Amino acid sequence: RKEVEQDPGPFNVPEGATVAFNCTYSNSASQSFFWYRQDCRKEPKLLMSVYSSGNEDGRFTAQLNRASQYISLLIRDSKLSDSATYLCVVNVVSTLTFGKGTMLLVSP
Amino acid sequence: EADIYQTPRYLVIGTGKKITLECSQTMGHDKMYWYQQDPGMELHLIHYSYGVNSTEKGDLSSESTVSRIRTEHFPLTLESARPSHTSQYLCASSESSAGAKGETQYFGPGTRLLVL
Repeated sequence: RKEVEQDPGPFNVPEGATVAFNCTYSNSASQSFFWYRQDCRKEPKLLMSVYSSGNEDGRFTAQLNRASQYISLLIRDSKLSDSATYLCVVNVVSTLTFGKGTMLLVSP
Repeated sequence: EADIYQTPRYLVIGTGKKITLECSQTMGHDKMYWYQQDPGMELHLIHYSYGVNSTEKGDLSSESTVSRIRTEHFPLTLESARPSHTSQYLCASSESSAGAKGETQYFGPGTRLLVL
């Protein structure tokens, strides 16, 4: 079983739509959680950290469920510029483990 | 924007050649990392360093080696390149502080390696 699992997509949504991605992790000792964004043929960049109480950054909302070992990312009012691959990332013991990513394609 | 640089950005080389991929950061970060990423696949950690003269192997077995003689510089070397080494190599760095700041990694633009 992979340590971090994501639906690879692609998720095809129109501009303005709300879209949600999920991620599950296998190691219950995981300490911290992140969403990174990776554009095509570019390096990953931190989108947001995920806190136990859930957190929001503009149109982006992240949730963590430790009991189910499940992380989610919600994007509201999708923009064309949101098209990218979203990587779920988990920190177990001071190194990061990356999921394969979920591809999002936002169309006009 | 992160101040972390990788050279070369693209490299095509023949089997058996020795290559060194360069990575430098000007943020004063103690921690540095090398990842390997194939198209459509997840990043795999191959080496990391927590400071000068500290290097560790990552989760993915790799025939490459690294060195950390200076804080800002973390080169990766392949003694004898093979077609199976064809991939993208991403360098990253992070602070030493505890919490989210210390865990946030900043990535360089990557080196795309093709071994013929």
